[in-house]
Amino acid sequence: GNSVTQMEGPVTLSEEAFLTINCTYTATGYPSLFWYVQYPGEGLQLLLKATKADDKGSNKGFEATYRKETTSFHLEKGSVQVSDSAVYFCALKDQAGTALIFGKGTTLSVSS
Amino acid sequence: DGGITQSPKYLFRKEGQNVTLSCEQNLNHDAMYWYRQDPGQGLRLIYYSQIVNDFQKGDIAEGYSVSREKKESFPLTVTSAQKNPTAFYLCASSIGQARNTEAFFGQGTRLTVV
Repeated sequence: GNSVTQMEGPVTLSEEAFLTINCTYTATGYPSLFWYVQYPGEGLQLLLKATKADDKGSNKGFEATYRKETTSFHLEKGSVQVSDSAVYFCALKDQAGTALIFGKGTTLSVSS
Repeated sequence: DGGITQSPKYLFRKEGQNVTLSCEQNLNHDAMYWYRQDPGQGLRLIYYSQIVNDFQKGDIAEGYSVSREKKESFPLTVTSAQKNPTAFYLCASSIGQARNTEAFFGQGTRLTVV
């Protein structure tokens, strides 16, 4: 079946460090891929998405490229801020379009 | 403001009681979803509905029930048959079921069994 695997956290960085959170997926056909962010005690917010191979999604300095050959969608940011501290979820939606399938989430903690 | 409203934010349930979590959206979305979030387990799909008066079981539907009588509303009932109901519950909606459509989430309801 379809699934998403994320690197385990927590990820602890200093302010202005480079961030990578790895995400790989298993799916039939051509899924769409998403990154969501969750701040403490809140729901999820869409961070970025990509709907076909080689698409790059970007938002608020975060980027991720849909790599079909490696079935990956790694999240990157060049310089993190304390306000980026949150839980990040990678997700896919397959061609059947039933519902989003999520990874287990990666906690990011940024210190000043 | 358009969005998804979940209520209540916190809910306490005694053993053996049924409780209903509310989810309302004014985004005119056709599809709605319920997810359960537990620490370290990500989000797991409970039920989803693609259209009014129709809904489907997700991966962990046992002990839960839903209804979709109106496009705007998708309440979730946690029954006494759910053995471990303490969790954070998230409702979401999307404009449709196409694979390129993202979901929008409510702020969640934290349910605790006391």
